[in-house]
Amino acid sequence: DAKTTQPPSMDCAEGRAANLPCNHSTISGNEYVYWYRQIHSQGPQYIIHGLKNNETNEMASLIITEDRKSSTLILPHATLRDTAVYYCIVSGGGATNKLIFGTGTLLAVQP
Amino acid sequence: EAGVAQSPRYKIIEKRQSVAFWCNPISGHATLYWYQQILGQGPKLLIQFQNNGVVDDSQLPKDRFSAERLKGVDSTLKIQPAKLEDSAVYLCASGAGLSYNEQFFGPGTRLTVL
Repeated sequence: DAKTTQPPSMDCAEGRAANLPCNHSTISGNEYVYWYRQIHSQGPQYIIHGLKNNETNEMASLIITEDRKSSTLILPHATLRDTAVYYCIVSGGGATNKLIFGTGTLLAVQP
Repeated sequence: EAGVAQSPRYKIIEKRQSVAFWCNPISGHATLYWYQQILGQGPKLLIQFQNNGVVDDSQLPKDRFSAERLKGVDSTLKIQPAKLEDSAVYLCASGAGLSYNEQFFGPGTRLTVL
């Protein structure tokens, strides 16, 4: 079973920031928070990951609370092409650790 | 850099028939994964290879599903015989085996079993 809880859907206006929440209250000390997204009819795409510090890359920012029990993915200026299902996944580091996908959050960016 | 390639993109078969899917991972990636994604759900890991060895196949229905990764590069996933509930998208992913788990996914094969 997925170790995370996400809202099933969210809306965001084009050009505004999209803030996607995720609860992972049972996260262990050596587990990372990963975010992937899946655009319709495509395979999932890696976005970002973090352990305890906030992270930023060209796609998004990841804010992890100090107790690590929740996190927020931020898309700073959402576009229509960001409409997708966003998955928050908790997993240990390394390729031998599974990614267990839940049902994610469907983000609909509105024009 | 070329991405993960999969074929065919679509397949329609009758129940009890057999089917095979092919995956070519990103060059140099040691880890290869097969996932099953049923409509409305997230992908579910079926099997994971590290080079040509199986790391995890705990979710693979071994009475009908089989997978191999000869020479540690390409991989095939086979279903024999297919059931109606096997209708899904089959996704292949590969990873470089880094300290974190970034996986690169192919476009998937959509299987419909009638």
